[in-house]
Amino acid sequence: AQSVTQLGSHVSVSEGALVLLRCNYSSSVPPYLFWYVQYPNQGLQLLLKYTTGATLVKGINGFEAEFKKSETSFHLTKPSAHMSDAAEYFCAVRSTGNTPLVFGKGTRLSVIA
Amino acid sequence: GAVVSQHPSRVICKSGTSVKIECRSLDFQATTMFWYRQFPKQSLMLMATSNEGSKATYEQGVEKDKFLINHASLTLSTLTVTSAHPEDSSFYICSARGLREYEQFFGPGTRLTVL
Repeated sequence: AQSVTQLGSHVSVSEGALVLLRCNYSSSVPPYLFWYVQYPNQGLQLLLKYTTGATLVKGINGFEAEFKKSETSFHLTKPSAHMSDAAEYFCAVRSTGNTPLVFGKGTRLSVIA
Repeated sequence: GAVVSQHPSRVICKSGTSVKIECRSLDFQATTMFWYRQFPKQSLMLMATSNEGSKATYEQGVEKDKFLINHASLTLSTLTVTSAHPEDSSFYICSARGLREYEQFFGPGTRLTVL
């Protein structure tokens, strides 16, 4: 079974500072990994995904994540935070086949002016 | 990416009534649909998985007689909350995936408030 651990339920950064949101996963098979963002009272928007191939994945809004199999991690980064990045971020994992996404508990990102 | 719609976006009902939420895939055939529930400031919890034309598979602890899921076509799934009570108040999000998709596409969610 898959599981996801997001370290830190709340991360606060200054505008312009590096954003680092941590995600570790557990999977018995090669995983598909995803990061989603959720703004208040809205659905989920896909930021980026890793399926196969290049381990450094670039997504929308300047975010990127690196799949590190040896560390079972898929941390999300952005070089320079913007006020509009303040939201809830979810890491998710699934395996192949007809399996659903399993979500981490989420990390709320606050950006301070 | 593909588009998934949900209707209604917000519903308020009295305790004891039933509420139906629709989830539609607008530009692709959703062979599998998922229903999630999200409590305030919490993560998404999978309620059930449904394949078109088959009975839904419910997660442990989810009452299938209370949360009726129908996936009668490749573009429509419905979740009916029967005899709703205040503790059913939540944000319900559907998600759809095509046959060869890695990705699940999410609807915008439905806020259910039971008075």
